[in-house]
Amino acid sequence: DAGITQSPRHKVTETGTPVTLRCHQTENHRYMYWYRQDPGHGLRLIHYSYGVKDTDKGEVSDGYSVSRSKTEDFLLTLESATSSQTSVYFCAISDRTVANTGELFFGEGSRLTVL
Amino acid sequence: SQQGEEDPQALSIQEGENATMNCSYKTSINNLQWYRQNSGRGLVHLILIRSNEREKHSGRLRVTLDTSKKSSSLLITASRAADTASYFCATDAGRDDKIIFGKGTRLHILP
Repeated sequence: DAGITQSPRHKVTETGTPVTLRCHQTENHRYMYWYRQDPGHGLRLIHYSYGVKDTDKGEVSDGYSVSRSKTEDFLLTLESATSSQTSVYFCAISDRTVANTGELFFGEGSRLTVL
Repeated sequence: SQQGEEDPQALSIQEGENATMNCSYKTSINNLQWYRQNSGRGLVHLILIRSNEREKHSGRLRVTLDTSKKSSSLLITASRAADTASYFCATDAGRDDKIIFGKGTRLHILP
């Protein structure tokens, strides 16, 4: 299995509080992604990173920020959590090169509940 | 809006039968991937098909791609109870580094 861990795995927080989810990889893959999964919506891309300090927005980036200060860590921050951000968050990594078109390896998910 | 849309949303078949699920997408792609998700777990990559390929096989899996119709299908032959899961298609347009998923098909294999 790809070395990718998410923390925390479960978190309950209150509306208006900041929350940071961490994705850590040991594969030295260049690309890292944050998705959220909600019933009826499948997986939706929040933000992604194509290198250290290189990030871009996905489909549903409003209310989220990310940072990648080193290859192995990709942080997702909810500056002021809202109930609509209650979801399961998945991190994924990929090694996109000329030879490899970019299979994603997923973490086990972080379940966030915003009360 | 999401790039890929799977059809059907849910599918129940008897063990041993074949399962077919479809994915339609909106814009041109570099490749299309299929993933499986067991309940509550992370997704697992099944197969990737490039835009210049029309069909690909991997074990009991057969994937087709029709770029003129912007659609793909995933066939699982001789289904087993362990195939019960959700299946997602994901598209890679190649222009940026986004990989966009559809809403998935829930497959239930009946004993």
